Amino acid sequence: DQQVKQNSPSLSVQEGRISILNCDYTNSMFDYFLWYKKYPAEGPTFLISISSIKDKNEDGRFTVFLNKSAKHLSLHIVPSQPGDSAVYFCAASSDAGAQKLVFGQGTRLTINP
Amino acid sequence: DTAVSQTPKYLVTQMGNDKSIKCEQNLGHDTMYWYKQDSKKFLKIMFSYNNKELIINETVPNRFSPKSPDKAHLNLHINSLELGDSAVYFCASSQDGHSNSPLHFGNGTRLTVT
Repeated sequence: DQQVKQNSPSLSVQEGRISILNCDYTNSMFDYFLWYKKYPAEGPTFLISISSIKDKNEDGRFTVFLNKSAKHLSLHIVPSQPGDSAVYFCAASSDAGAQKLVFGQGTRLTINP
Repeated sequence: DTAVSQTPKYLVTQMGNDKSIKCEQNLGHDTMYWYKQDSKKFLKIMFSYNNKELIINETVPNRFSPKSPDKAHLNLHINSLELGDSAVYFCASSQDGHSNSPLHFGNGTRLTVT
C-alpha cells in the first residue's frame, strides 16, 4: 500500500534541457510535500518543499508544482546540469501529530553532456 | 563538521548476532529518526525521538530497540539478526517534529546479514 509513488524509475535528459520528475500520492491527508536528492553512498538531502496551500514553489533552477485535485506533484529542473544526476525522492507528510515522512521509491535522473 | 554522522558505514554479520548502529547530530535539533531503505529502495520510518522521548514507533519487530541517551544521539540496537534485516539504515534529524522541518540524513549504514 504505497501512498507515494514515483512511477518512473529512471529519466535521462540532455544537459541544458528541462528535467521533469513526477510523483503521485493517494492520501488526501497529506499537506506538505518535499523533494530530496540522493547521491550514491550518501544520505538524501533536502531540495525543495511545498505546502498544500500553494500550487507552486520556486527556488533557483528548481520548481515544484502541486495539483491537489489530481494528487500529483512534479519537480522541474531547468536548465539541467550534470551535477543534477542523482536519485530524487518525493516525500509527503500530514501535520497531524509528529512528523512522519512517507517516501516514494525514487527516480534516477541522468543528465547527459 | 559532519551534521549527522552514523557508524559504522558497513556492517556484515551472521544471522542470530546482535549489532548496534550509532548516530550523532551536531545541529542542535530536537528530533531524531531511524529510516530503513529496503531492497525496493523505499525509505520507511522506523522510529522517531523528540528530546529523548519516543514519538513514533512503526510496525517494527521488537528485536529493534532504539536508545537515545541525549537529544544529540540516537542509537539502534538489533537483536537476533535475520536475513530480512539486510538493508541500508539511515539516521536523520530535524529542528522539531513539524512537517515543514526538513530532515537531515546521515550517509547510511549498509547492513548485510549472511
